Formats: sequence, C-alpha cells, structure tokens
Amino acid sequence: NAGVTQTPKFRILKIGQSMTLQCAQDMNHNYMYWYRQDPGMGLKLIYYSVGAGITDKGEVPNGYNVSRSTTEDFPLRLELAAPSQTSVYFCASTYRGGDEAFFGQGTRLTVV
Amino acid sequence: AQSVTQPDIHITVSEGASLELRCNYSYGATPYLFWYVQSPGQGLQLLLKYFSGDTLVQGIKGFEAEFKRSQSSFNLRKPSVHWSDAAEYFCAVGESNSGYSTLTFGKGTMLLVSP
Repeated sequence: NAGVTQTPKFRILKIGQSMTLQCAQDMNHNYMYWYRQDPGMGLKLIYYSVGAGITDKGEVPNGYNVSRSTTEDFPLRLELAAPSQTSVYFCASTYRGGDEAFFGQGTRLTVV
Repeated sequence: AQSVTQPDIHITVSEGASLELRCNYSYGATPYLFWYVQSPGQGLQLLLKYFSGDTLVQGIKGFEAEFKRSQSSFNLRKPSVHWSDAAEYFCAVGESNSGYSTLTFGKGTMLLVSP
C-alpha cells in the first residue's frame, strides 16, 4: 500500500496563478483532510471530507476549494494564489473520526 | 472551541536523559488526545492516543503519555532519549461535536538531542 500520496512535492507559483494539489489514498478511508503548516504555528485545518460528495470547511478555508468525487481522491484547489498561501500543505486520511490519521509527505508551495 | 497549548517551543535533552514534553488542552467533555511526531521533511506519524480507560498510555518508540483530567494535561514522556528522537512533536485533541472527525493541533515542540 502506498498510503497517502501527495503531488507535487514542490511548486513555485506567481501571484494570481492557480493550481491543484493532488491527494490520493489507497486505504479505503472515509475521512480526508487538508492542513497547512507554517513555521511555529502547528497545523491548521483547511477543509475536510467525511465521505465522497461531502466536504466541510475547517479553520482557514479562504482562498481554497476542494471536491471529493471518489473515496480515494481529495484535491485542493488554489485560485488566485497570494503570498499568504506560501506554506507546506499536508493531506491526511482516517477510516473514521478519532482514528489514527495517516499523512502524506507534504507539498511545499511558494507564491512569489 | 477546543485548544491545545504546548508551552515549550524548543527543548534540548542529552542523549540517554529522560524527556517530558508538556501539553495542555481546553475542552469541555472527555477529549480524544494524540501525540504525533514529525521528522524533517516528512509527514506526521502517530506516537500514541488516549480515548478512555487507563490514563497512562503506551506508544511506539518507547514513548508514553499520561492523561490528567484535573490538570487538563497530556504530557509525553520517554525514560531515555536517543539521537533519532530529534524531531518536532505535536499534541492534538479531537473534536467531539462532529463525531471526532477533526483534530486541533498544538504549535509543536522541537526536540534537540545533544551528544
């Protein structure tokens, strides 16, 4: 099993550009999450999903969008990239709420 | 809303010495509590978790944590630190009003291990 796979690992965007961060899991997990990690700030929840077709906002959703058309995939869309979105993004999944979360290796995004 | 406080941003411990990382949470009901570890350039890995029952929880890599309701704490301990334990450690609490479907993380404690 690959677990949680994130692509790309690194990306540089110009202000105003858009991109999609990909996340896929092969563990048949129901719950999937997107976090951003900034130095000294821990992880902040952007969006999460409890199943295909269901998504909900986390603590810092502004400037992002998600979709969950399949159990396996949970892409994160950045529209009109801003320098404030420079961060490391982590995707995670759990089988159900309260279970161990499995994390991808992260995407380091720089907006210039 | 729940919150998690890790009061120590950095801790340096000599190899072979004992370790305690502090975590305090703010939460109304019985929380789900977790400790995760992050090595440089990697995602997070679960060390241990507490849901209910015995308040002393054993985890991987020789770590343990104790839940103390009266102090709203869930401190992580290890009796003898190894150089490979150098990493960032995150305490997290699960939110119950959504079926524990989301976690709130502390800001992390960076552990440095000196020879």
